[in-house]
Amino acid sequence: DAGVIQSPRHEVTEMGQEVTLRCKPISGHDYLFWYRQTMMRGLELLIYFNNNVPIDDSGMPEDRFSAKMPNASFSTLKIQPSEPRDSAVYFCASSKGGPANNEQFFGPGTRLTVL
Amino acid sequence: AQKVTQAQTEISVVEKEDVTLDCVYETRDTTYYLFWYKQPPSGELVFLIRRNSFDEQNEISGRYSWNFQKSTSSFNFTITASQVVDSAVYFCALSEINNAGNMLTFGGGTRLMVKP
Repeated sequence: DAGVIQSPRHEVTEMGQEVTLRCKPISGHDYLFWYRQTMMRGLELLIYFNNNVPIDDSGMPEDRFSAKMPNASFSTLKIQPSEPRDSAVYFCASSKGGPANNEQFFGPGTRLTVL
Repeated sequence: AQKVTQAQTEISVVEKEDVTLDCVYETRDTTYYLFWYKQPPSGELVFLIRRNSFDEQNEISGRYSWNFQKSTSSFNFTITASQVVDSAVYFCALSEINNAGNMLTFGGGTRLMVKP
């Protein structure tokens, strides 16, 4: 089985540009998570979905960040406009079922650099 | 509120030494899950273990072992006879069963460097 797939793996953009990160969860998983990892703040949960519905977006840093999950096999995280402080590795993860089955499988991450 | 503390930010050992990575957690819930993830230099996060709060039995998997003690709110991870391939950042994480969404709270990570 393929794991969580993220694209692109690396993204370099200039400040002010729109950035879209993509994620395909593991088939059959009903939870999807977006994390951000930086040296200063470690791993932070940005938002998560259950059955394609956003459940908690309290970790989204500001209105420049938005996430969608139009179907069970695809999610996007968009930053518009991007800023240098958004430079980080963004991970997508998915899991199946409720708390008793909550091992999260992580994608390889997208390394974003905003110049 | 839940919190995970990994006090050791960086550990350096020589190959074949044993090393223990500490993890202390805080939670108000009586039912919760604890995890360890490994992040090798390639960057991906690899799941190592999940333990629920009702199972305090220690676990051993090859050179890896985990010691869960509710009395001290700790879930420590020991690597026996470390190898260079064990070099990575290791994260401890906590998930409360009452939260509906399987959210994980991660510790800050411990960078382990195993030198040949």
